[in-house]
Amino acid sequence: EDKVVQSPLSLVVHEGDTVTLNCSYEVTNFRSLLWYKQEKKAPTFLFMLTSSGIEKKSGRLSSILDKKELFSILNITATQTGDSAIYLCAAYPSNTGKLIFGQGTTLQVKP
Amino acid sequence: DTAVSQTPKYLVTQMGNDKSIKCEQNLGHDTMYWYKQDSKKFLKIMFSYNNKELIINETVPNRFSPKSPDKAHLNLHINSLELGDSAVYFCASSTLGQPQHFGDGTRLSIL
Repeated sequence: EDKVVQSPLSLVVHEGDTVTLNCSYEVTNFRSLLWYKQEKKAPTFLFMLTSSGIEKKSGRLSSILDKKELFSILNITATQTGDSAIYLCAAYPSNTGKLIFGQGTTLQVKP
Repeated sequence: DTAVSQTPKYLVTQMGNDKSIKCEQNLGHDTMYWYKQDSKKFLKIMFSYNNKELIINETVPNRFSPKSPDKAHLNLHINSLELGDSAVYFCASSTLGQPQHFGDGTRLSIL
């Protein structure tokens, strides 16, 4: 059965810290891995990764995929209280449109 | 402009009732989805339509019936509501295989 597992499930840090969120996957005919940020309402898209070893970066956030070891990490540097959210990892198996989500990592950034 | 919009945002109703949730997207996407997010924030796909054709139909009670009148709309009708149906229901849309864009969710509470 296809599955995506995230760790840790929750994390509390202080502003300015750097955090690394982990996502491992076991997915048939893997095509891509996506990261989302969910605050109070809709999950919002962060990154989509399809190739191994190529880092994607947006401001203080970056992510990379390792297709050999079947995992991805999301890094957030110089965290701010506005980074507090649930971070969701999801994988696309084949091109069916069916996204398999992990259980999420809840990040709390304290002032 | 809201890209994916769902109505209503909140739905409080009694067990046994029938209710509908509506979703519309103005992104020109060809695929739309319904997800259920439980109390532990786990997002699980329920249905997906591509160009009005049902392409994903997960193991969901047949009290749940999706309907897509056109590519920009996907509705969800739920018959004989049960306590376990309480959750947040998210609509999403995408071009097939690309990042999915989510609505703000409909919080369904069954009394």
